Amino acid sequence: AQSVTQPDIHITVSEGASLELRCNYSYGATPYLFWYVQSPGQGLQLLLKYFSGDTLVQGIKGFEAEFKRSQSSFNLRKPSVHWSDAAEYFCAVINYGGSQGNLIFGKGTKLSVKP
Amino acid sequence: DGGITQSPKYLFRKEGQNVTLSCEQNLNHDAMYWYRQDPGQGLRLIYYSQIVNDFQKGDIAEGYSVSREKKESFPLTVTSAQKNPTAFYLCASRRGTGVANVLTFGAGSRLTVL
Repeated sequence: AQSVTQPDIHITVSEGASLELRCNYSYGATPYLFWYVQSPGQGLQLLLKYFSGDTLVQGIKGFEAEFKRSQSSFNLRKPSVHWSDAAEYFCAVINYGGSQGNLIFGKGTKLSVKP
Repeated sequence: DGGITQSPKYLFRKEGQNVTLSCEQNLNHDAMYWYRQDPGQGLRLIYYSQIVNDFQKGDIAEGYSVSREKKESFPLTVTSAQKNPTAFYLCASRRGTGVANVLTFGAGSRLTVL
């Protein structure tokens, strides 16, 4: 069965520091991968997606992610974090084996930003 | 602007009561979904619908029911059979079920059972 793992439950970084959030997936073929962000009490907003092609994907708000097939990873990065980036981040993959079009989500990584 | 509207934002229920959460979209999307979110658990699929008058169970459908009488609307009823209904509920939609069509989410409804 497909799965998504986000190893870090909570990460704290200083404002201006770089950020990397980890995401590992399990799927035999090329997956369709997503990163979403959720502010407290709000819905999810799409940051970026990977379907095929260039393995480095640019998203909104200065985020990027790199697909690495050899490591089954799709890590999210940002060179300089802003206080407004504090939120919860979810990695997700299209579920090919079940509900058509459904996403399988990781459990999320909560990001805190120190001033 | 197009989007998904969920109401109410906050809802309190006594044990044994059914409650209905509203989800309306004006994006002309074909498929709609309901997810449940619990702290530290990510999102889990409750029900989804790809076309009007048709819907399918997701991973945690027990204790929930839905209807899809109109393309724009996909209400979720949390019944008294749901043992632990306190959670944050998210509605989402997408144009079709092709992999290139991304999910758009509403702002969520928080249900608390007193």
